Amino acid sequence: DTGVSQDPRHKITKRGQNVTFRCDPISEHNRLYWYRQTLGQGPEFLTYFQNEAQLEKSRLLSDRFSAERPKGSFSTLEIQRTEQGDSAMYLCASSLERNNNSPLHFGNGTRLTVT
Amino acid sequence: GNSVTQMEGPVTLSEEAFLTINCTYTATGYPSLFWYVQYPGEGLQLLLKATKADDKGSNKGFEATYRKETTSFHLEKGSVQVSDSAVYFCARNTGNQFYFGTGTSLTVIP
Repeated sequence: DTGVSQDPRHKITKRGQNVTFRCDPISEHNRLYWYRQTLGQGPEFLTYFQNEAQLEKSRLLSDRFSAERPKGSFSTLEIQRTEQGDSAMYLCASSLERNNNSPLHFGNGTRLTVT
Repeated sequence: GNSVTQMEGPVTLSEEAFLTINCTYTATGYPSLFWYVQYPGEGLQLLLKATKADDKGSNKGFEATYRKETTSFHLEKGSVQVSDSAVYFCARNTGNQFYFGTGTSLTVIP
């Protein structure tokens, strides 16, 4: 179990550019979540996958955001035409769905700064 | 609605002091409850959990009891250490969704 890994750890981009983040969950975990965290706040849900199916998206997720999990393993989160308000920590988490009590296992996050 | 409210910080304690961080929740149904801890520069780590009323979760000297009658899940530790300095998040899960509180920053001074 190598844990959830996210890449890159930090990303600085200029407003209007596109960025893509990657998440590799714990290998046997079938659920994968994306969250956003800003300073002084708890994680806010963005979207989640069960295997390769994207089952739920938050209203926070504007049409500039898209997430994929093509083979039910790793996932990517893309932000198009970035805005300064997109600056945040983007967290990925995974879990093994046995029942709804399974905890989330988080990666260390990707910190995005939009200048 | 569905939400988690936790005690605002920051909290500063001396080593060996008693810690309480309050957490209350609102939810439909019967959520599972969690405490996560985030050390500086790291991701969130599960600290403890409880899945039904009156369950007590415990880990590393921390405890929290699921109180359905008061919809609370307060985190306690009898004697904190400098290494406990971190941000603590209360969370609840109903179905596929996890909802987190805003976090409470704890600093323990020697």
